[in-house]
Amino acid sequence: SQQGEEDPQALSIQEGENATMNCSYKTSINNLQWYRQNSGRGLVHLILIRSNEREKHSGRLRVTLDTSKKSSSLLITASRAADTASYFCATDAETSGSRLTFGEGTQLTVNP
Amino acid sequence: NAGVMQNPRHLVRRRGQEARLRCSPMKGHSHVYWYRQLPEEGLKFMVYLQKENIIDESGMPKERFSAEFPKEGPSILRIQQVVRGDSAAYFCASSTNTGSSSGNTIYFGEGSWLTVV
Repeated sequence: SQQGEEDPQALSIQEGENATMNCSYKTSINNLQWYRQNSGRGLVHLILIRSNEREKHSGRLRVTLDTSKKSSSLLITASRAADTASYFCATDAETSGSRLTFGEGTQLTVNP
Repeated sequence: NAGVMQNPRHLVRRRGQEARLRCSPMKGHSHVYWYRQLPEEGLKFMVYLQKENIIDESGMPKERFSAEFPKEGPSILRIQQVVRGDSAAYFCASSTNTGSSSGNTIYFGEGSWLTVV
């Protein structure tokens, strides 16, 4: 499996529900970032969490990082139809300089 | 403060032609990255540049692909003699002087969609 793998590949929920996406990685990292991508568009940066941090919040977003398990989760609370997008985690490995390694993404669909 | 600007947004080339993709980083950013995204996949790193220097090109195909970031002007990703497999979205990103390893966010442009016919 690749560095920065998201799980699940696809998630479909109703508006108002919470959405949880997970990301696993293989090597030691400096930080981990989550991005959103709407179809045919660029990536929008959501949150950066450093390797010495365990949790960060931004509005309806909550990101956790467990370096012992090499995993991260992104929680979107009270989801809206506008949250429909692909979500990617990207890791900045200690040995990779400033190169980000992306997972294949989770496609989130929020049904109105 | 304009974001990362890429052009063209969409480019169609016939096999064998050249494709040139341009990227202007965010104001104050001196680090530029190029990534490629194939349909239904995540982004794959290609090259990392600073002004007049290629820092890491480990993700760039050895042939037909080149990148530059001159002292003046945008960064250019050049693909010579394009083939159908080059059809993809090419994203440019930029960050501040210290790059993402120090916890600085990398900001992405809207991408250039290359279609080779």
